[in-house]
Amino acid sequence: EAGVAQSPRYKIIEKRQSVAFWCNPISGHATLYWYQQILGQGPKLLIQFQNNGVVDDSQLPKDRFSAERLKGVDSTLKIQPAKLEDSAVYLCASSLDGGENSPLHFGNGTRLTVT
Amino acid sequence: AQSVSQHNHHVILSEAASLELGCNYSYGGTVNLFWYVQYPGQHLQLLLKYFSGDPLVKGIKGFEAEFIKSKFSFNLRKPSVQWSDTAEYFCAVKGNNRLAFGKGNQVVVIP
Repeated sequence: EAGVAQSPRYKIIEKRQSVAFWCNPISGHATLYWYQQILGQGPKLLIQFQNNGVVDDSQLPKDRFSAERLKGVDSTLKIQPAKLEDSAVYLCASSLDGGENSPLHFGNGTRLTVT
Repeated sequence: AQSVSQHNHHVILSEAASLELGCNYSYGGTVNLFWYVQYPGQHLQLLLKYFSGDPLVKGIKGFEAEFIKSKFSFNLRKPSVQWSDTAEYFCAVKGNNRLAFGKGNQVVVIP
């Protein structure tokens, strides 16, 4: 099966600019996650979708971060405006139904550098 | 919310040596436990998982982990590592439908 697709792989922007990341989950997976992984740390959940509804966005900095999954398939994550501390790898993951027995499948991530 | 602790962030060992990576978590409710691995240049992959039953679980590539409920631990082990085990290893705990990761262990195996 095809894996989770993310683009772009790398992005370099200046602070205060905007950026968007795209994710295409595994076909048929209802649950989609965006994680932020800062260098030297483990992935931190930003937002979780079940189909096109938000399940958990408690750790999403909503003043600058937004995400959508309008048709319950692809998703975009946006940062506007970016700060230096947003430099990280942004990981997208999907699972079949988000249940306890449904493992996460990760994409390769987008490495963001904010200068 | 749950938290996950991994110690000894950097581990360097020779081929055929034994590997043990510690993982402790804090969470008051029922948890599911995972170890993920990230090989250089690749995405995170599931190594093994514990949901219930036998606390000693076996994963891919000869890895195993033991859940000790009284110690809130889920340590990862491999009796004899290979150069190809060079990777970053993350312990993760799922509680209340949220998956939380530890900071990871960077493991380098010297041929």
